[in-house]
Amino acid sequence: EVRLVETGGGVMRPGGSLRLSCAASEFYVSENYVSWVRQAPGKGLEWVSGIFSGGGTSDSDAVRGRFTISRDIPKNTVYLQMNSLRAEDTAVYYCARERLGYFFDLWGQGTLVTVSS
Amino acid sequence: DIQLTQSPSFLSASVGDRVTITCRASQGIGTYLAWYQQKPGKVPKLLIYAAATLQSGVPSRFSGSGSGTEFTLTISSLQPEDFATYYCQQLIFFPRTFGQGTKVEVK
Repeated sequence: EVRLVETGGGVMRPGGSLRLSCAASEFYVSENYVSWVRQAPGKGLEWVSGIFSGGGTSDSDAVRGRFTISRDIPKNTVYLQMNSLRAEDTAVYYCARERLGYFFDLWGQGTLVTVSS
Repeated sequence: DIQLTQSPSFLSASVGDRVTITCRASQGIGTYLAWYQQKPGKVPKLLIYAAATLQSGVPSRFSGSGSGTEFTLTISSLQPEDFATYYCQQLIFFPRTFGQGTKVEVK
């Protein structure tokens, strides 16, 4: 089955770090553009970061310098390293595959990150 | 960054109503626009891509139109399963951006 599975969410203190994982099945992350999208409780969708098939990355202004997207090709997994966490980073984090320029066609089930003191 | 502004943000409607949601982009994006439906606790579902192409399996009561900076999503006859939140998304520029969402509620 073609799917994405996110893990790694949890409760963290402000200023802390967390790494999310997004494991892909039945397709290769090395051949696709994969993004992280988050949704704060009761709020809309917010694109966070993305990694191209060639390895290039792009980040939103809200997370640039704090979050880093990367991947492990043998493990077919994309990561989101989140540092200097803030309360406003509290959200469900989804990874999603993009048909580049057209749509996000595959989403994971999401993992909840809560940043609270 | 490209800003996408949806209107209205909330919409009350009845089963059978024709519903139109507008998405305006802060600069031209051609037809690089997708529409998603999201229900509470669920993952977004793709409805429309390339502004007007219906995703396979999506009922034909959904349609999209527009290009450049103004786009619309139309539901020709609202069904009970269509009460949800709808988002537009641009896929031509980075960072990718979404509209703020339009919640379609029961009148």
